[in-house]
Amino acid sequence: NAGVTQTPKFRVLKTGQSMTLLCAQDMNHEYMYWYRQDPGMGLRLIHYSVGEGTTAKGEVPDGYNVSRLKKQNFLLGLESAAPSQTSVYFCASRRVGLAGKKTGELFFGEGSRLTVL
Amino acid sequence: AQKVTQAQTEISVVEKEDVTLDCVYETRDTTYYLFWYKQPPSGELVFLIRRNSFDEQNEISGRYSWNFQKSTSSFNFTITASQVVDSAVYFCALRAIIQGAQKLVFGQGTRLTINP
Repeated sequence: NAGVTQTPKFRVLKTGQSMTLLCAQDMNHEYMYWYRQDPGMGLRLIHYSVGEGTTAKGEVPDGYNVSRLKKQNFLLGLESAAPSQTSVYFCASRRVGLAGKKTGELFFGEGSRLTVL
Repeated sequence: AQKVTQAQTEISVVEKEDVTLDCVYETRDTTYYLFWYKQPPSGELVFLIRRNSFDEQNEISGRYSWNFQKSTSSFNFTITASQVVDSAVYFCALRAIIQGAQKLVFGQGTRLTINP
């Protein structure tokens, strides 16, 4: 049972380079999220998706793009990496809660550490 | 505003001491959920507990207990008889409706160090 898998786990980029982080979940969850974690700031939401083909901006979306072409995958792209994007990135997913029922907890991937030089 | 505040940035105690991590939240929602997550040195985020706004019963799970008080908008977490393995960063989070969608808002985290 893989849960939420992020690739790559580590990456070093030069300023201006592009890259894509892949998040895959095998739990058939509808909601998927990308967070970044920086010291002293907790986790901040970058983008999220409430279903296949839909994405929306979170708290800190600038400099990132996302796509949810398949329900199980949520891609986070950096078109032109900047040193300010050095961070640990977490993907998460959860199922939609039914009315009157308990809503699902968030399942997190193991994180992807990105360094931009 | 939907906000979570963990005022304690770092806490350091000696093993076997009890320790309480504070969490204060702000929300306009009448229905909301509160969470605690643990992030050990290995980096992954581990779910500890979910509490909905209608259930103010305190919960105990082994050495862990949670005190939810709506009157003070707090959801504090206590570890009894702490152990070195409890050393981690702990995050409190609030699930609320933001821009029409449910999102999880995290506090800044409290780094807990348990010294042998």
